[in-house]
Amino acid sequence: DTEVTQTPKHLVMGMTNKKSLKCEQHMGHRAMYWYKQKAKKPPELMFVYSYEKLSINESVPSRFSPECPNSSLLNLHLHALQPEDSALYLCASSLRTRGTSTDTQYFGPGTRLTVL
Amino acid sequence: LAKTTQPISMDSYEGQEVNITCSHNNIATNDYITWYQQFPSQGPRFIIQGYKTKVTNEVASLFIPADRKSSTLSLPRVSLSDTAVYYCLVGGQTGANNLFFGTGTRLTVIP
Repeated sequence: DTEVTQTPKHLVMGMTNKKSLKCEQHMGHRAMYWYKQKAKKPPELMFVYSYEKLSINESVPSRFSPECPNSSLLNLHLHALQPEDSALYLCASSLRTRGTSTDTQYFGPGTRLTVL
Repeated sequence: LAKTTQPISMDSYEGQEVNITCSHNNIATNDYITWYQQFPSQGPRFIIQGYKTKVTNEVASLFIPADRKSSTLSLPRVSLSDTAVYYCLVGGQTGANNLFFGTGTRLTVIP
């Protein structure tokens, strides 16, 4: 199973809502990532979890709150978002973040988020 | 950080070989070069990875010269379904904070 799943596929929320994005993998990977991608732009790294601990936060606003309950699950909690936060949110996983060779990242299909 | 530079876009006819070059002048000794493919509204998909010389798999070849300051992704006999954005990434050995996507190359295959 080389699949990363993300739910929901689409999400529309108001600026006062609280919602969560979910990501799951069962490949035994110990590194998981959140990326944000705006239209016609490359993915931008937001957060990296390594062995369930947050190892990188790329200066992301606190209205985005990541959580890694276990090695297979990664959540992104959203609160008080702005319309400019509308984007495709991608989750990825890899065996490790460091190693004797680069660990390939496997990406999920993404969640298309629209903030009204 | 090893930044990458790629052409913004390329067009090719079906059946032709396509070569996309990526420049990475500041590549570190331990960095690998990885290429991803992304279709609209989908996550990027790993294509190929290499460290030096030439790597080939069932979908592409990757050519890396001795100085490793550039690399070329070669797609043999492209089809319409190869229309996508191709990203070159450099890094990985020293951690995920090296894995930044560049602008990517938008390949359009014309019938």
